[in-house]
Amino acid sequence: DGGITQSPKYLFRKEGQNVTLSCEQNLNHDAMYWYRQDPGQGLRLIYYSQIVNDFQKGDIAEGYSVSREKKESFPLTVTSAQKNPTAFYLCASFASLGYTFGSGTRLTVV
Amino acid sequence: GQQLNQSPQSMFIQEGEDVSMNCTSSSIFNTWLWYKQDPGEGPVLLIALYKAGELTSNGRLTAQFGITRKDSFLNISASIPSDVGIYFCAGRLTGANSKLTFGKGITLSVRP
Repeated sequence: DGGITQSPKYLFRKEGQNVTLSCEQNLNHDAMYWYRQDPGQGLRLIYYSQIVNDFQKGDIAEGYSVSREKKESFPLTVTSAQKNPTAFYLCASFASLGYTFGSGTRLTVV
Repeated sequence: GQQLNQSPQSMFIQEGEDVSMNCTSSSIFNTWLWYKQDPGEGPVLLIALYKAGELTSNGRLTAQFGITRKDSFLNISASIPSDVGIYFCAGRLTGANSKLTFGKGITLSVRP
């Protein structure tokens, strides 16, 4: 079945370490997005990519980086510069009928 | 960035009751979407609306695209325990690089 796969589901990181969250889709969608979700905050856009080898900053890009070397893949790196990285991270892809979301990665900094 | 307004943050209803959720914006959108999120999962699309005034149903769910294009509502009839979750509205402008703008969501609790 087509969909978006995020891995891992749970991730623990020590302060000062970079960590990369995986997002893979087999929907053949051009556009992909990363959102951060905190309780009561809704979904806030980190980065998005409309096409391979191109990406744009969202509303809260500081402390994050992305790459889009393949259409299917849009990994997100949470760097040590991100001051409050503990959150639920959602990846999505877009086609004409709307966004399809992955099941999320919960990142906890310990 | 832009925000859509959803309130209250939480709603508590009795099983079998109907519930209505509203979403408003100061900006117009060409598409309105309603999503439901279960705990620890990604949001799932419930209903998509593409035309001002459009009324669309999906089982016990009904949603409308406001005439002004600045609001939308979602109605759930005869609620059941599995309706529990967070309901997000989202708006989108048509065009290159357009993104979805999300509301903060309403957490729905259903008492059996």
